[in-house]
Amino acid sequence: DQQVKQNSPSLSVQEGRISILNCDYTNSMFDYFLWYKKYPAEGPTFLISISSIKDKNEDGRFTVFLNKSAKHLSLHIVPSQPGDSAVYFCAATLLGVGNEKLTFGTGTRL
Amino acid sequence: DVKVTQSSRYLVKRTGEKVFLECVQDMDHENMFWYRQDPGLGLRLIYFSYDVKMKEKGDIPEGYSVSREKKERFSLILESASTNQTSMYLCASSQRQGFFVSQPQHFGDGTRLSIL
Repeated sequence: DQQVKQNSPSLSVQEGRISILNCDYTNSMFDYFLWYKKYPAEGPTFLISISSIKDKNEDGRFTVFLNKSAKHLSLHIVPSQPGDSAVYFCAATLLGVGNEKLTFGTGTRL
Repeated sequence: DVKVTQSSRYLVKRTGEKVFLECVQDMDHENMFWYRQDPGLGLRLIYFSYDVKMKEKGDIPEGYSVSREKKERFSLILESASTNQTSMYLCASSQRQGFFVSQPQHFGDGTRLSIL
């Protein structure tokens, strides 16, 4: 049972426009969410995260929005650049010592 | 910078062989993880370890075992390799998580394993 879902396997956006990547989760216990970016032949790298006590977190061109009632988060990239072409994974976890496990989505290729 | 090093980028083995994948991290992280990445399935957790000699099953542990004898090293073992274990294997490490923030996991570049 996929607890974290990314329903768009791929997304195509023009340079300079906004990229919006979506992620849905089913487990209401998740209280921390992360986005990772992966280039071919490299491991994923951490991009940005958000705690469930917030609804928005911004870091430069990257903003993550969290809608807890809808169990939905999104990653906005503005403006999009050619170097942003990669696979993006969202991940969710439970905070607290001993809960270090991440549950990943299936990824969206931008 | 955190460095997670996987011993091989590419590996080809035969069905039935015992296969060892090695991972070393240099940042004194408590936690280490093994994932496999398959098209359309994302990253799936095989095993993780939160301390030396400790291990926990992930979502897909069948057919695998792990060993963590030293803090910096985490090994994944395929006891008897099968063709359905052909995949990209990724190792990661992280600091111990707190109650208010999750420590990001740092990944190696992966081992592409083919079982013939």
